[in-house]
Amino acid sequence: SQTIHQWPATLVQPVGSPLSLECTVEGTSNPNLYWYRQAAGRGLQLLFYSVGIGQISSEVPQNLSASRPQDRQFILSSKKLLLSDSGFYLCAWSVGLSYGYTFGSGTRLTVV
Amino acid sequence: QKEVEQNSGPLSVPEGAIASLNCTYSDRGSQSFFWYRQYSGKSPELIMSIYSNGDKEDGRFTAQLNKASQYVSLLIRDSQPSDSATYLCAVLSGGYNKLIFGAGTRLAVHP
Repeated sequence: SQTIHQWPATLVQPVGSPLSLECTVEGTSNPNLYWYRQAAGRGLQLLFYSVGIGQISSEVPQNLSASRPQDRQFILSSKKLLLSDSGFYLCAWSVGLSYGYTFGSGTRLTVV
Repeated sequence: QKEVEQNSGPLSVPEGAIASLNCTYSDRGSQSFFWYRQYSGKSPELIMSIYSNGDKEDGRFTAQLNKASQYVSLLIRDSQPSDSATYLCAVLSGGYNKLIFGAGTRLAVHP
């Protein structure tokens, strides 16, 4: 069966520090991969999506970037974190329309 | 900008009652619709999908879709305290399976 791993679960980082969040999917090939952010008490905002290795589309201009170095690996990065980058970061995957998205367990990032 | 609108709630219902959650969307070309449940501090989990006009039932959950009115709803029968969560409506838009989420409705089921 397919599983999605996301780490770390929680992270506290100072303003101006770099960020790297990793997501991996098992049990499937060539998944569509997504990064979402959920600010406190808010809905899910799509940040990036990828339909294949090296293919990244950005939904909103921001202080973050994404990369997909391998088929089942998706990385979210920042060179210098801002206070406004705090939130709950969720990785998700899909392979077709019938099943919607499956989310990882998320990373709660607090920038201080 | 494609939008999905939900009443933020909280929607408070007594245990055993029917909870009715509603959602409207702006993209008339949308064909796939989903309901997710999110417990506090956890990631969303998919509970229902619906693609055709009408009702789709799965256990205590019924999803309803009216594409002409651009309206999706979720009914939860025999509500239980364990159903207390935020329910997110999501609509598939665009060419790469991009799900657009509403802000969610918080449901509180009280004994």
